[in-house]
Amino acid sequence: ETGVTQTPRHLVMGMTNKKSLKCEQHLGHNAMYWYKQSAKKPLELMFVYNFKEQTENNSVPSRFSPECPNSSHLFLHLHTLQPEDSALYLCASSPGLAGYEQYFGPGTRLTVT
Amino acid sequence: QQQVKQSPQSLIVQKGGISIINCAYENTAFDYFPWYQQFPGKGPALLIAIRPDVSEKKEGRFTISFNKSAKQFSLHIMDSQPGDSATYFCAASISNSGYALNFGKGTSLLVTP
Repeated sequence: ETGVTQTPRHLVMGMTNKKSLKCEQHLGHNAMYWYKQSAKKPLELMFVYNFKEQTENNSVPSRFSPECPNSSHLFLHLHTLQPEDSALYLCASSPGLAGYEQYFGPGTRLTVT
Repeated sequence: QQQVKQSPQSLIVQKGGISIINCAYENTAFDYFPWYQQFPGKGPALLIAIRPDVSEKKEGRFTISFNKSAKQFSLHIMDSQPGDSATYFCAASISNSGYALNFGKGTSLLVTP
């Protein structure tokens, strides 16, 4: 185990649903990340939080809404998603930003029907 | 814009052989180069990392070779084993820059018995 947990591990949702992904890290890290991993595509960085403040938003559609209530928890709120949003969503944390190892959770496999 | 280019996309190696994965970058300010290993159903995990003050780093059967002038770095897996079959990602970042890791597209490695 990496010390980063994600729930749920699998999620199937319709395009009109609203759901949330949860990430929790038990490592005392200050930075947390959301990545999207699609088949045959590189890891796509979505959002970065450092000390609960969002530092990066890589042109992610507004149907994805992150929330970081504290340094240990990160949420990704989903609403009115599209089938092309089906992917593995990975959460990661690190002691600080650049130059540090990132610890990844196991991911949430999302299927949008 | 892909800041780290990785090749090959897939690789098949016989057991006992050497697996070589290459990455190239353009930003000369990068100073942290990690490699991540990802097994199916798991998030990526740090395998080995190097900083540009050394040209090579070895950990067990895994070696990173770094060529600063060519702006290239590579992962060598000696005596490859079927258990090494996974997807490998290279990455690069600028320490203390406030920016997260830039990942390559990944290499799917299959080691045949």
